[in-house]
Formats: sequence, structure tokens, C-alpha cells
Amino acid sequence: KQEVTQIPAALSVPEGENLVLNCSFTDSAIYNLQWFRQDPGKGLTSLLLIQSSQREQTSGRLNASLDKSSGRSTLYIAASQPGDSATYLCALSGYSTLTFGKGTMLLVSP
Amino acid sequence: DTAVSQTPKYLVTQMGNDKSIKCEQNLGHDTMYWYKQDSKKFLKIMFSYNNKELIINETVPNRFSPKSPDKAHLNLHINSLELGDSAVYFCASSQSDGPGANVLTFGAGSRLTVL
Repeated sequence: KQEVTQIPAALSVPEGENLVLNCSFTDSAIYNLQWFRQDPGKGLTSLLLIQSSQREQTSGRLNASLDKSSGRSTLYIAASQPGDSATYLCALSGYSTLTFGKGTMLLVSP
Repeated sequence: DTAVSQTPKYLVTQMGNDKSIKCEQNLGHDTMYWYKQDSKKFLKIMFSYNNKELIINETVPNRFSPKSPDKAHLNLHINSLELGDSAVYFCASSQSDGPGANVLTFGAGSRLTVL
């Protein structure tokens, strides 16, 4: 059974800092890994999807990496902004479902 | 236009009542899901339907009954509500049901509070 752990559970940084969010998983037999953003009272927004054959994906200031052999993924956010404040979830895809971590709550202060 | 819409957004009800949450997607996707996010923010799959047929049914009490009248709709009916049912319920959809290559689009969630 897939287990997904995200560290840290919460992170507070000043605006402009670069930061890394971590995700680890126990079963490397995955199809892909996704990073989502969840804003309070809102649904989830998919940020990046990495196929199991890929090592990383980039979108703007976001870069996600995947290392299946070590069961780890990182989400790198460059030059953080207050608008980046949200909960970030990683999710591992099996054949038909996603298994989510509990998320990292990020607060970027002006 | 909202891609995945859920109603109601908030629902407060008494223990023992029966309630429904509705979900509709206008993306033309074949597969729809219900996820539950509990008080610890843990998101867990409940059900998955592909073209109106149930394909995933996790360990969920049979008080929860999903209904898919067509592939654009997946409703969740809950009987005899209990305190532990309080959570945010998310509907989602994807192009198809596997093999895991699909991006899920989520609704905004329906916050259920059972008193």
C-alpha cells in the first residue's frame, strides 16, 4: 500500500526566498507524480505532473523533481511571493487512483 | 465556466439525517471521483466511476451511495449521517480511468458539518 509523507508540515518564509518542499513515498511502482496547490476553501489545482519515466518538470518559478529509486520528489519554488501561500500536496498515481500526502502549508510573508 | 462544480458548497445538518452532494463536470471526461478530506487534511479516494460504471469503491460505509446518471454527473448520497462524516468532500474528473496518466480536475469541495 502506497504511503506518502510530506515534510515539513508547515513552512513560513519571507518573500523572495527560494524554498524546497519534500515528498517521499514507499512504492516506486507509480505511473506519475503530481503536485497540487490547495487554497483555503477552494479545490485543488494541479501544478506539475511528472511521468514515471521523467526526472523533472518546470513551470515558471516551479520545478519538481522525481527520484523513483529513492522514493522522493521535491518541489522547488524560486523567488517566493505572498501569493504562493497555500497548502501544497503531492500525489502518487497508481493505475486508477491518486494517493495524497497530507500537504505542506506554506506561508510567504511580505 | 466552472469545469467541475459541486453543490452545495456548505452543508450543516443533524446526526441521523440523509443528505446529497451533487457534482457535474463539463470537460467531457469519462471518469469521475469522490474524495474525502478529513479534519487532518488527509485526502482519500472514496469512489470512482468510469462512463457511469463503478470502478473503485474503497472501504466506505454503505451509508454512502454514489449515483452516476450520466458520465457528466456523479452524486453522493449519505444516509444516517454521523459525526465522523464531517469533512470536505471533493469531486474530481479525469479523461479516463488509467493507467495513471491523467490529470485530475477537482471541484471546489463541499464542506459537510454534522452536529
